[in-house]
Amino acid sequence: QKEVEQDPGPLSVPEGAIVSLNCTYSNSAFQYFMWYRQYSRKGPELLMYTYSSGNKEDGRFTAQVDKSSKYISLFIRDSQPSDSATYLCAMRGRGQKVTFGTGTKLQVIP
Amino acid sequence: DTEVTQTPKHLVMGMTNKKSLKCEQHMGHRAMYWYKQKAKKPPELMFVYSYEKLSINESVPSRFSPECPNSSLLNLHLHALQPEDSALYLCASSPGLADSYNEQFFGPGTRLTVL
Repeated sequence: QKEVEQDPGPLSVPEGAIVSLNCTYSNSAFQYFMWYRQYSRKGPELLMYTYSSGNKEDGRFTAQVDKSSKYISLFIRDSQPSDSATYLCAMRGRGQKVTFGTGTKLQVIP
Repeated sequence: DTEVTQTPKHLVMGMTNKKSLKCEQHMGHRAMYWYKQKAKKPPELMFVYSYEKLSINESVPSRFSPECPNSSLLNLHLHALQPEDSALYLCASSPGLADSYNEQFFGPGTRLTVL
């Protein structure tokens, strides 16, 4: 079993839809949870960074962490064609090593 | 300055060549990372430098040799690579505080092709 599981998609949604992206994990030592956006042939861009359980909102993006269920989510409201990218969840414990999910490819159709 | 820069953007090299990748950040970060990313796969950690010392080597073959000359600069020296080493090589940096927020910021990557 992989430490972090993420549906690779692709996920296609119409412009303006609410997008829900999810990851599950098995390592209870993970404390810091991140979402990165990666456009084709570019480096990952940090979108959201949360510590422990709870919600965090930044503009159209909301990150949720449920440590009891070992489940994290990223919601994108009013999705735009420019949101079309691969979204990587990532997490770590107390060390510096980050474990990434495999990424979900999102396509927002105009 | 809030970005990580990497040079070159693209590199094509033969299996007998020696080349280097360069990464620079001026955010005062004290941890720097090299990742390798193959198509449609997540980044795969290679090396971590913390306060200019190598702290993690993920059993990377010796044909990859990292170097951290100072806190702002990270190099990856390449020698006798194989075609399967062709990938996007990503550099990242973070503040360096392992027990706190330590978000990693990535550079744009160097796309390496080994012929």
